[in-house]
Amino acid sequence: EDQVTQSPEALRLQEGESSSLNCSYTVSGLRGLFWYRQDPGKGPEFLFTLYSAGEEKEKERLKATLTKKESFLHITAPKPEDSATYLCAVQASAGGTSYGKLTFGQGTILTVHP
Amino acid sequence: AAGVIQSPRHLIKEKRETATLKCYPIPRHDTVYWYQQGPGQDPQFLISFYEKMQSDKGSIPDRFSAQQFSDYHSELNMSSLELGDSALYFCASSLGLLGVTQYFGPGTRLLVL
Repeated sequence: EDQVTQSPEALRLQEGESSSLNCSYTVSGLRGLFWYRQDPGKGPEFLFTLYSAGEEKEKERLKATLTKKESFLHITAPKPEDSATYLCAVQASAGGTSYGKLTFGQGTILTVHP
Repeated sequence: AAGVIQSPRHLIKEKRETATLKCYPIPRHDTVYWYQQGPGQDPQFLISFYEKMQSDKGSIPDRFSAQQFSDYHSELNMSSLELGDSALYFCASSLGLLGVTQYFGPGTRLLVL
């Protein structure tokens, strides 16, 4: 069964204090790994899709990387508006028991203090 | 850019009532997914449709049913509602089924009293 574990559960940073969020996964053939940002009571907002080990993607202060067992979301010089829950999700290949569904981790609640 | 539209945004029902949630995917998207998110929980996959056919089924109760229509919009029908059905229900859409990004709607907050 596909499993996704995110750490830490919660992270408090000072504005400008860079850090990383971790997403460890076990999946029967990775089709894609997805990062989303979710604000309270709102729908997950797409950030990145990673497909293969060694791949990296960047957007503003965020950078996502992927290995064969985990992904990292690096946040450089965060601002208070980066405060949100960051969700990691995996999609397994069609050879497994799922066809497109995302399996999510529990998320990391990020709080950035001014 | 157009996003996923969900209606209603908020819904209050009594136990044992029925509810219908609607989802309008991003134009040209042919795949729709439904997820349920309880308080403090991660989204849990319920069911998905690709080209109007059910493509996958997750932890969806037998009391729930869904379908995708010819215009690709989808409806989630929930009957005999229970207190535990109170949650945020998200619809996501994608172009294609595998290895493509799912874009989420704003969700429907269902409260069962």
